Amino acid sequence: KQEVTQIPAALSVPEGENLVLNCSFTDSAIYNLQWFRQDPGKGLTSLLLIQSSQREQTSGRLNASLDKSSGRSTLYIAASQPGDSATYLCALGGDSNYQLIWGAGTKLIIKP
Amino acid sequence: EAGVAQSPRYKIIEKRQSVAFWCNPISGHATLYWYQQILGQGPKLLIQFQNNGVVDDSQLPKDRFSAERLKGVDSTLKIQPAKLEDSAVYLCASSQLEGRAIQYFGAGTRLSVL
Repeated sequence: KQEVTQIPAALSVPEGENLVLNCSFTDSAIYNLQWFRQDPGKGLTSLLLIQSSQREQTSGRLNASLDKSSGRSTLYIAASQPGDSATYLCALGGDSNYQLIWGAGTKLIIKP
Repeated sequence: EAGVAQSPRYKIIEKRQSVAFWCNPISGHATLYWYQQILGQGPKLLIQFQNNGVVDDSQLPKDRFSAERLKGVDSTLKIQPAKLEDSAVYLCASSQLEGRAIQYFGAGTRLSVL
């Protein structure tokens, strides 16, 4: 059974720092992996989607990588801003059954 | 393009009462999902519709939860009777195709059961 873990559960860094959020999973048989952002009182917004055949995806200051062999994905945020404060969740699409399997998220606080 | 609409945004009820949530997906999206998100956890899929048929409801507590999608568009999720542990955010999402398409989420309904 696929399990997804995001550590740490919370992270606080000063504005301007580059940072990395981690997502680990137990079963490498995945179809794709997505990173979502969740703001308080709002729904989830898809940030990046990486297909299983890809190694990374980039969007602006965000870069997501995928290493299936080690069961890890990272979300790199460059030059962090207070507006990046949110909870970031990763979700895996299974290879045989495309139900999204979710991590519990990392709550990120960027201090001005 | 309008996003996924959900109502109400907030609901407070007492245990054993009934509650219903409404979702209007993005126009043209065939697949609709209901998730339950408990504070500090990732979303849990409750039910997935493809048009107006159920694809997966294996994690829906059917003794108290029910859902329908009329005419393959709007959907309602009902809880009757509610328990304290049902306190959560209920998220609706839609996608163009079943399975591997990106899901677009509504803002959710925050339910508090007292």
